[in-house]
Amino acid sequence: EAQVTQNPRYLITVTGKKLTVTCSQNMNHEYMSWYRQDPGLGLRQIYYSMNVEVTDKGDVPEGYKVSRKEKRNFPLILESPSPNQTSLYFCASSRSGQGSGKLFFGSGTQLSVL
Amino acid sequence: KQEVTQIPAALSVPEGENLVLNCSFTDSAIYNLQWFRQDPGKGLTSLLLIQSSQREQTSGRLNASLDKSSGRSTLYIAASQPGDSATYLCAVTTYNNNDMRFGAGTRLTVKP
Repeated sequence: EAQVTQNPRYLITVTGKKLTVTCSQNMNHEYMSWYRQDPGLGLRQIYYSMNVEVTDKGDVPEGYKVSRKEKRNFPLILESPSPNQTSLYFCASSRSGQGSGKLFFGSGTQLSVL
Repeated sequence: KQEVTQIPAALSVPEGENLVLNCSFTDSAIYNLQWFRQDPGKGLTSLLLIQSSQREQTSGRLNASLDKSSGRSTLYIAASQPGDSATYLCAVTTYNNNDMRFGAGTRLTVKP
C-alpha cells in the first residue's frame, strides 16, 4: 500500500531536549516536505526536499533541521525545542514538486513542548 | 504573495443536501489547485487536482471548478452524507511549481 509513515504519532517533551520525527515514503517519490498546522494559521511549510541531498527552507524553518540521505526518508530534527513549536506536524511527498501532482500526507505527529 | 481564503470556516447541513464550499485566491497566475479532505487527528487526503488550463474536475459526488480570472474555486458535494463530515482545504500552487499555499479550511458537519 502506498503510504507516508510518520513516527511518533504523539510526543510530549521538555524545552531543550533534542528530538527527531521520522518520515518515510514507499512510493519512490522525489519530493518530500514538512508542514506544521496551527489553529487559525493553516498549514505552513517548514522545509522541503526535491531529491536526495537537496533540501531548502519553507516559510517557517527557524528552529528546525532536516536531512535527505536516502530517497525514502526525510526526518525532521528539533535541536532545542521550545514551547512555540508545540503543533501538529505533517510530512508529505509527491512524484516531483509540491504542486506537480497529488500530494500524499502522513497521519501527523502531535508535538507538545513543555 | 499568494493568499488563500476559505469561507465559511464552518458549515452544518442536514444529510442529503447539495452544498458548495468556496476558495478564493489573490494571484491568478497559478499552476494548479487542489482540494483536500482532513479527518480529525489525521493527515490530508487529496480529493481533486485542477490544472490551470482546466475548468473543472469530477470524482464521484464531488465536482471542483476553477475560475482563474476571478480567483475562485468551488467544491460541490452532491447528496451529502454523514461520512462527508470533515475539514476541506484548498491549496494553490503558483508557477514556480513549489510555492503551495493552503487555505485554513472549512469544517463541514453533515447531520443524519
